Amino acid sequence: DTEVTQTPKHLVMGMTNKKSLKCEQHMGHRAMYWYKQKAKKPPELMFVYSYEKLSINESVPSRFSPECPNSSLLNLHLHALQPEDSALYLCASSQDWREGGNEQFFGPGTRLTVL
Amino acid sequence: AQSVTQPDIHITVSEGASLELRCNYSYGATPYLFWYVQSPGQGLQLLLKYFSGDTLVQGIKGFEAEFKRSQSSFNLRKPSVHWSDAAEYFCAVGPTITSGTYKYIFGTGTRLKVLA
Repeated sequence: DTEVTQTPKHLVMGMTNKKSLKCEQHMGHRAMYWYKQKAKKPPELMFVYSYEKLSINESVPSRFSPECPNSSLLNLHLHALQPEDSALYLCASSQDWREGGNEQFFGPGTRLTVL
Repeated sequence: AQSVTQPDIHITVSEGASLELRCNYSYGATPYLFWYVQSPGQGLQLLLKYFSGDTLVQGIKGFEAEFKRSQSSFNLRKPSVHWSDAAEYFCAVGPTITSGTYKYIFGTGTRLKVLA
């Protein structure tokens, strides 16, 4: 299984809501990533988990809270978002993020709209 | 500083024509290079990658890329484009080290349009 799955596909939320994005992979990868992608832009790295520990936080606002319950799952908890947070949120995984040759496998993304 | 440049924001080709998408990188050591494709509203799919060895790399969907160290380039090519190739293409380098932080650096992307 070489697939990364993400749920939900689409999410509309108000600025006072709390919601979560979910990501799952069963490839035995030990690194998992959250990216944010605005329209017509490349993905921007938000967080990297390596062996279930947060390794990189790219100065992301605290209204985004990542969680890695186990090696196959990655969540992104959302609270008090702003309209400018509307974007495609991509999850990815790789064998080990410190290895240069490790390709990243991407999920289909969650299209988030904040009203 | 490490960087990836895709000089062409948009490219339009006719179906059946050949294609070349340009990618230039700036990196002090031998880079790990990737080409990804993204259809609208979808995730990124790896087309091919270069780590070392043969500088001409074959990928999926009939794509190939050539690593040229002297030109710091990793251009993507396809001899005959299909309408289904219309998508956004990203070149990437990674991981690179910036201030002790490992990062994958993506280019700004090239949007390919295919004319019937």
